[in-house]
Amino acid sequence: GDSVTQMEGPVTLSEEAFLTINCTYTATGYPSLFWYVQYPGEGLQLLLKATKADDKGSNKGFEATYRKETTSFHLEKGSVQVSDSAVYFCALSVMIKAAGNKLTFGGGTRVLVKP
Amino acid sequence: DTGVSQDPRHKITKRGQNVTFRCDPISEHNRLYWYRQTLGQGPEFLTYFQNEAQLEKSRLLSDRFSAERPKGSFSTLEIQRTEQGDSAMYLCASSSPKGRTQETQYFGPGTRLLVL
Repeated sequence: GDSVTQMEGPVTLSEEAFLTINCTYTATGYPSLFWYVQYPGEGLQLLLKATKADDKGSNKGFEATYRKETTSFHLEKGSVQVSDSAVYFCALSVMIKAAGNKLTFGGGTRVLVKP
Repeated sequence: DTGVSQDPRHKITKRGQNVTFRCDPISEHNRLYWYRQTLGQGPEFLTYFQNEAQLEKSRLLSDRFSAERPKGSFSTLEIQRTEQGDSAMYLCASSSPKGRTQETQYFGPGTRLLVL
């Protein structure tokens, strides 16, 4: 079945460091790919997405490129801030009945940015 | 746009009791999803509605679970005869896609259930 694997955390960084969170997927067909973020005490928020191969999603300084050849969607940010401390989830969507899209999530990566 | 809301935010119950959660999607969103998230894991799909029709259910949704979406607006998720293994965060999401690849699901804050 469809699955998402992302690096385990926690990832601890200093402010202004470079962040990479690896994500690989297995899916039938051509899924859309997402990164969601969950800040402490809050719900899941969409961070960025890409819907086809070689697309780059970007938002708030974060980027990820849909790599079909390596089935990957790694998340990167060049200079993290303390406010980026959160749990990050990689996800893919596959079509289900009547054109609905079920999201399949990875296990999440906790990121802690220290001042 | 007030976002997806869920009620209650927290629920503590004793094993064997029934519980019901409510989700109010973003207005005019015709698709609604329920997910379950256990501690330290990513959310897992439970069920999907398009308008009032429940079109897909996961194997995770045992016969103790039932979900409804009367009139295609708010949705309820009921768990009967709760078990300790039902303790989790129950998340609701809604969407109104323009096309298959344009769908973005917007999540509510979740209902955290603890079964004692």
